[in-house]
Amino acid sequence: NAGVMQNPRHLVRRRGQEARLRCSPMKGHSHVYWYRQLPEEGLKFMVYLQKENIIDESGMPKERFSAEFPKEGPSILRIQQVVRGDSAAYFCASSRTHQNSGNTIYFGEGSWLTVV
Amino acid sequence: AQSVTQPDIHITVSEGASLELRCNYSYGATPYLFWYVQSPGQGLQLLLKYFSGDTLVQGIKGFEAEFKRSQSSFNLRKPSVHWSDAAEYFCAVGAQLTFGTGTRLTIIP
Repeated sequence: NAGVMQNPRHLVRRRGQEARLRCSPMKGHSHVYWYRQLPEEGLKFMVYLQKENIIDESGMPKERFSAEFPKEGPSILRIQQVVRGDSAAYFCASSRTHQNSGNTIYFGEGSWLTVV
Repeated sequence: AQSVTQPDIHITVSEGASLELRCNYSYGATPYLFWYVQSPGQGLQLLLKYFSGDTLVQGIKGFEAEFKRSQSSFNLRKPSVHWSDAAEYFCAVGAQLTFGTGTRLTIIP
């Protein structure tokens, strides 16, 4: 039973390039969450998606960041024109239904983005 | 707005000693509360969670936590720590997880 799969695990981008982070949720899970962890800090919620829908993007920066979870394929977190401050670990998590109904959120092992 | 405070940034404990990690939360309704553990370079693993019912919650790896509404606290405890418990511990609240800043646990022989 595969867990939440994220790739790439490590990504290096030059300033101004685009970063794409992919997340495949656990089998049977249709809810996906993205979190960002800056160095020496806790995780910050970014966005919550269901298949083809963004449910809550209150934690997403207003510019350059976008997320999608298409009907087929993984969820994608896209960062355009990266800057040094985007260097962080990005964690994806998934759940079968919303955690309000008692389901647990399971985390992937993260994607570490370094902007040089 | 919901928030979580973990007042201890770093705690050092001798192997075999007891452990308590503090967590205070701010939340408008009955909270969902969680403790996660993170080893360096790894993702987060759920230790335990509280949704409702018994306020003393048992988790994996011998951990437990007690929900105290009057104190807005959800402290994590373990009676005897092992060297493998060295990690970063995060308390979180709410269905979409608002995290504290974490407590780094160091174990000394």
